[in-house]
Amino acid sequence: TQLLEQSPQFLSIQEGENLTVYCNSSSVFSSLQWYRQEPGEGPVLLVTVVTGGEVKKLKRLTFQFGDARKDSSLHITAAQPGDTGLYLCAGGRGSSNTGKLIFGQGTTLQVKP
Amino acid sequence: NAGVTQTPKFRILKIGQSMTLQCTQDMNHNYMYWYRQDPGMGLKLIYYSVGAGITDKGEVPNGYNVSRSTTEDFPLRLELAAPSQTSVYFCASSKSGTGGFDEQYFGPGTRLTVT
Repeated sequence: TQLLEQSPQFLSIQEGENLTVYCNSSSVFSSLQWYRQEPGEGPVLLVTVVTGGEVKKLKRLTFQFGDARKDSSLHITAAQPGDTGLYLCAGGRGSSNTGKLIFGQGTTLQVKP
Repeated sequence: NAGVTQTPKFRILKIGQSMTLQCTQDMNHNYMYWYRQDPGMGLKLIYYSVGAGITDKGEVPNGYNVSRSTTEDFPLRLELAAPSQTSVYFCASSKSGTGGFDEQYFGPGTRLTVT
């Protein structure tokens, strides 16, 4: 079983602080997706990274795929209360034609005004 | 487009009862998935389908059944509900299935309690 471990599991910070969430595995993935989920709703895709070492930016969010494609990170600069939510990483396998993803257990972020 | 819709939003079942969770998507996606989400556990895949008439087990299929008679609908059946099936259930769909590169679109979820 491929596992994706996210850390930390819970993060509570003040508005304006920076933070990094990590997603680690001992297995290689062909792609790594990050989703954000708000209470009472389903996850929504933020980004997909597919190349080792790839960095993508989405406003104040920076996503990186590890060189060996076994890990990823999400960095948020100057966090705002609107960033509050559950962040999930999910890995995909290139050999699969089923679309199946392996999800990490999630990181709950709380940004206090 | 409504995207992925799920009904009901909430349900309380007694142990041993059965029910069907409905899922419909209007994006003409071939690939559909059922997940359950427990606190601190992320999303676990129950069943998935790569097209009408084709379904397969995911990571945690025991106690569940699915069918896919049309592209749009992918109902999940719970037989003989048990307290361990208390969870939030999400249905999702994607356009293609290659390597996990494609976005999965999620419904709003069904919160199920079995007592």
